[in-house]
Amino acid sequence: RKEVEQDPGPFNVPEGATVAFNCTYSNSASQSFFWYRQDCRKEPKLLMSVYSSGNEDGRFTAQLNRASQYISLLIRDSKLSDSATYLCVVNGGGGFKTIFGAGTRLFVKA
Amino acid sequence: GAVVSQHPSRVICKSGTSVKIECRSLDFQATTMFWYRQFPKQSLMLMATSNEGSKATYEQGVEKDKFLINHASLTLSTLTVTSAHPEDSSFYICSADARTGGTYEQYFGPGTRLTVT
Repeated sequence: RKEVEQDPGPFNVPEGATVAFNCTYSNSASQSFFWYRQDCRKEPKLLMSVYSSGNEDGRFTAQLNRASQYISLLIRDSKLSDSATYLCVVNGGGGFKTIFGAGTRLFVKA
Repeated sequence: GAVVSQHPSRVICKSGTSVKIECRSLDFQATTMFWYRQFPKQSLMLMATSNEGSKATYEQGVEKDKFLINHASLTLSTLTVTSAHPEDSSFYICSADARTGGTYEQYFGPGTRLTVT
């Protein structure tokens, strides 16, 4: 089993749609969780951290379920500019090793 | 936010030569930096963890004699790809942990695209 697994992509959605990405992790000792965005041929950029209480930043909502070892990202009112690959990132605890998911590609179409 | 720079952004070299890539934290000190490699349409793969003032920790399958890492200061880590081969062509990205609030977050350099001919 992979340490971090994400929904297979790509997701093709129309503008204005709501889309949700899921991610599971295997290390129950993981301490920190993030969603990153990566545009084609660019470096990943931090989108948001994920907290146990859930957190929202504009159109983006992240949720963490430690019991199920599950993270989600919800994007509301999708924009064309949201088209990118979304990476689920887990900090593995002791040693602070960070594991990246393979990423989920999102295409938002007009 | 924290800024990480990388140089060069793009390099083309001939097979058998060595290439050095620099990673700098511009507005913070980074005792630990990370080097990743990403092949087209694949995920980031951690190559090694670079520790200031000590030896780097390499991931399984990464040859430490081929990918030399030096972290001589709190703001600079270098990755040298020695005796480069075409299969080393990839996107190399460094990152550094910056503490923001109560958590560490990783900030990435813009990456270096290496092409070995």
